[in-house]
Amino acid sequence: GAVVSQHPSWVICKSGTSVKIECRSLDFQATTMFWYRQFPKQSLMLMATSNEGSKATYEQGVEKDKFLINHASLTLSTLTVTSAHPEDSSFYICSAGGLIYEQYFGPGTRLTVT
Amino acid sequence: AQTVTQSQPEMSVQEAETVTLSCTYDTSESDYYLFWYKQPPSRQMILVIRQEAYKQQNATENRFSVNFQKAAKSFSLKISDSQLGDAAMYFCAYSKGGYGNKLVFGAGTILRVKS
Repeated sequence: GAVVSQHPSWVICKSGTSVKIECRSLDFQATTMFWYRQFPKQSLMLMATSNEGSKATYEQGVEKDKFLINHASLTLSTLTVTSAHPEDSSFYICSAGGLIYEQYFGPGTRLTVT
Repeated sequence: AQTVTQSQPEMSVQEAETVTLSCTYDTSESDYYLFWYKQPPSRQMILVIRQEAYKQQNATENRFSVNFQKAAKSFSLKISDSQLGDAAMYFCAYSKGGYGNKLVFGAGTILRVKS
């Protein structure tokens, strides 16, 4: 149980285009989902906290107009990188909150912007 | 703000030996949780062990155990009988108690296991 999926696992897009990443909790409902960004050999950096039915809470320094987060249902949150640029290339990970303290992580999405 | 510090960027251990990864944290909260996550080359985050702050007993999961020193705000991970599959990046993380609270991660420690 407690499986979180991400789609796509790897995406290449051209500079200036937008790309959407989906995060789904497959066998449980998640009121809260989290989006992280990770550069090679570095830690996970929290970008935003996504609550179902309400606006996401962004961490300081994260451009909310560039990284659009939507949590439309208890099993789906999406991250859209708008007008992507090469510096947005990174590994994006989502996690879904379970009961109390648990967080279940997706397998991640590698974004490459050319 | 809560912070988590891992002072060992890289560690090496011989197969079958024991290794300890260090972690310190800072918080003014009384209700919180501490975690160790493993991230292998696949980059899938795997929960290794967790510790509830209100519990005095150190958590243990098979070959993995922690030394939780609440007053010192220290939370180290001991891996016994190290295996090649233990090679990964290990992250120490903190979360306030209650539902839906974010994780605060340390910088991570790369663990290499030598055969």
